[in-house]
Amino acid sequence: GQQLNQSPQSMFIQEGEDVSMNCTSSSIFNTWLWYKQDPGEGPVLLIALYKAGELTSNGRLTAQFGITRKDSFLNISASIPSDVGIYFCAGLSNSGYALNFGKGTSLLVTP
Amino acid sequence: DGGITQSPKYLFRKEGQNVTLSCEQNLNHDAMYWYRQDPGQGLRLIYYSQIVNDFQKGDIAEGYSVSREKKESFPLTVTSAQKNPTAFYLCASSRSGGHSPLHFGNGTRLTVT
Repeated sequence: GQQLNQSPQSMFIQEGEDVSMNCTSSSIFNTWLWYKQDPGEGPVLLIALYKAGELTSNGRLTAQFGITRKDSFLNISASIPSDVGIYFCAGLSNSGYALNFGKGTSLLVTP
Repeated sequence: DGGITQSPKYLFRKEGQNVTLSCEQNLNHDAMYWYRQDPGQGLRLIYYSQIVNDFQKGDIAEGYSVSREKKESFPLTVTSAQKNPTAFYLCASSRSGGHSPLHFGNGTRLTVT
């Protein structure tokens, strides 16, 4: 599969702070997805992006599909303790079939 | 409620034994997938199936086998040929291949000693 570079690898923040993470690819993608995984559980879809430049929000979460189609970012505003988990980006190129995943950003929120 | 069920949640096996992980979905999805997750490695694709009686190798298929005899079921067998079988295994499904978001089960943690 194609390599996705996700950063940062981990983040330790205080409750109330904003968070930003991103994902880049060496190839053009037609779909970007962001998932969150709680410990011992399967990933849950947060936001799906299908068009270059698309900016989509889901509550305190905002994600954008980069203009170059090779990157995407996820922002979390006013973090709360339940935001703790691992966040994964995933993408699909035109020639691909199954999603490729980044290695994840581990988020820890301290009260 | 529709969803994906993986069983068991935890599985322990001795080295050299084959083991089969169950995955059932009632979402009426055509496509199903198996991913392996190791700490710090993200999710790596083992096998996927776009339709009944058809499946394709993913990036790390060696030492694994699958079947897709029914739309609802996509069991994964971890064979004794898999060199490092201890991992967290995730099954997923989607409405149609590729651009539809994946819905994941809650995983099976396999420990081989």
